Amino acid sequence: DTGVSQDPRHKITKRGQNVTFRCDPISEHNRLYWYRQTLGQGPEFLTYFQNEAQLEKSRLLSDRFSAERPKGSFSTLEIQRTEQGDSAMYLCASRAGLLSSGNTIYFGEGSWLTVV
Amino acid sequence: DQQVKQNSPSLSVQEGRISILNCDYTNSMFDYFLWYKKYPAEGPTFLISISSIKDKNEDGRFTVFLNKSAKHLSLHIVPSQPGDSAVYFCAASAPGAGSYQLTFGKGTKLSVIP
Repeated sequence: DTGVSQDPRHKITKRGQNVTFRCDPISEHNRLYWYRQTLGQGPEFLTYFQNEAQLEKSRLLSDRFSAERPKGSFSTLEIQRTEQGDSAMYLCASRAGLLSSGNTIYFGEGSWLTVV
Repeated sequence: DQQVKQNSPSLSVQEGRISILNCDYTNSMFDYFLWYKKYPAEGPTFLISISSIKDKNEDGRFTVFLNKSAKHLSLHIVPSQPGDSAVYFCAASAPGAGSYQLTFGKGTKLSVIP
């Protein structure tokens, strides 16, 4: 499978615990996104990387959230001191080049987080 | 502020007929638009896209129409099949404005009735 891979697919954690999600993009894709989706809403942008550089962050990415892409390949999204409002599906996506050049954004299967 | 709006939360269509899903946007800097399909508990799957320099793009049973003056786009599925039943998201991007993110609507749930 050469698509975007996310791990774990499901995570249940107690409020106050830290969680980390990993994303492996499609191998030749140097651009990577993190999104969050809650029930009844569309995916909401969290952050964007081009290679290892984090070029854009949403206001949704509070101080408790941190994303990294240390070598420009896989990425991690960590949530510290989780709250019940963090319960959502966390989606990773990647693309190769410019949208205007016909490159599209491919999403992974998502990581479900439930904070109890 | 919802910059991409899908005003119909749901749509039911008979198998074999045309499905038309609508999307409106408010940000005039958007210049690239995409439609995604999503099944429950899965990530969105890319369907079709259109650049703002075009007014129509077709791929098999899927056609996207863009009306820039009205800031409106639509996705036509002909003929509709039961397997098309899913939530459809419209998304827009403004790379020319220095923003890399895709902004999504809230989605329209399509049900194709056999």
